[in-house]
Amino acid sequence: SQQGEEDPQALSIQEGENATMNCSYKTSINNLQWYRQNSGRGLVHLILIRSNEREKHSGRLRVTLDTSKKSSSLLITASRAADTASYFCAAPSSSNTGKLIFGQGTTLQVKP
Amino acid sequence: NAGVTQTPKFQVLKTGQSMTLQCAQDMNHEYMSWYRQDPGMGLRLIHYSVGAGITDQGEVPNGYNVSRSTTEDFPLRLLSAAPSQTSVYFCASSYSILAADTQYFGPGTRLTVL
Repeated sequence: SQQGEEDPQALSIQEGENATMNCSYKTSINNLQWYRQNSGRGLVHLILIRSNEREKHSGRLRVTLDTSKKSSSLLITASRAADTASYFCAAPSSSNTGKLIFGQGTTLQVKP
Repeated sequence: NAGVTQTPKFQVLKTGQSMTLQCAQDMNHEYMSWYRQDPGMGLRLIHYSVGAGITDQGEVPNGYNVSRSTTEDFPLRLLSAAPSQTSVYFCASSYSILAADTQYFGPGTRLTVL
């Protein structure tokens, strides 16, 4: 069963606009990670947010975490065509084995 | 560092054939794992290893075997390929088994089983 589920599945915006992707998870976690995947490539780690953090920034990325709602969001501000990719949230499995469970991903298209 | 490398990049098999997908990392990471990625399914964990000589099953282990004789290498074996194993396979590694560790992914192997 998947720990993270993402919404929307696909998002298309114009360059310069902001993009928001949401992730919901099922069990209590101590951190949540976001990854990016360019077409035909492996995943690249973007940011990790811990359960005692509500918000975290990295450049044009802003991640929030609401543990009471078991949800997280990734905001990309001032998007660029190069941000076109799929974005995945990943949360630890319920067992303490280091396994990450990935969501289905949000496919973002940024039009120039 | 080369990071995580995978070979081959592409492979076509006939049903019933066997093959090994290679994965290697040069970062001295303890934790390595294999995922498969299918459209609309995200990434699903096949097998993982927390160190040399130690492996365990993930969400979808059936039809796959792994071994970890060295820290660097973590091959994935398909004993008798089936069309349902057509997928993109990713190997990943991280420094430890801690869930807070960043996972580093290889570029993937695209496998087609006819």
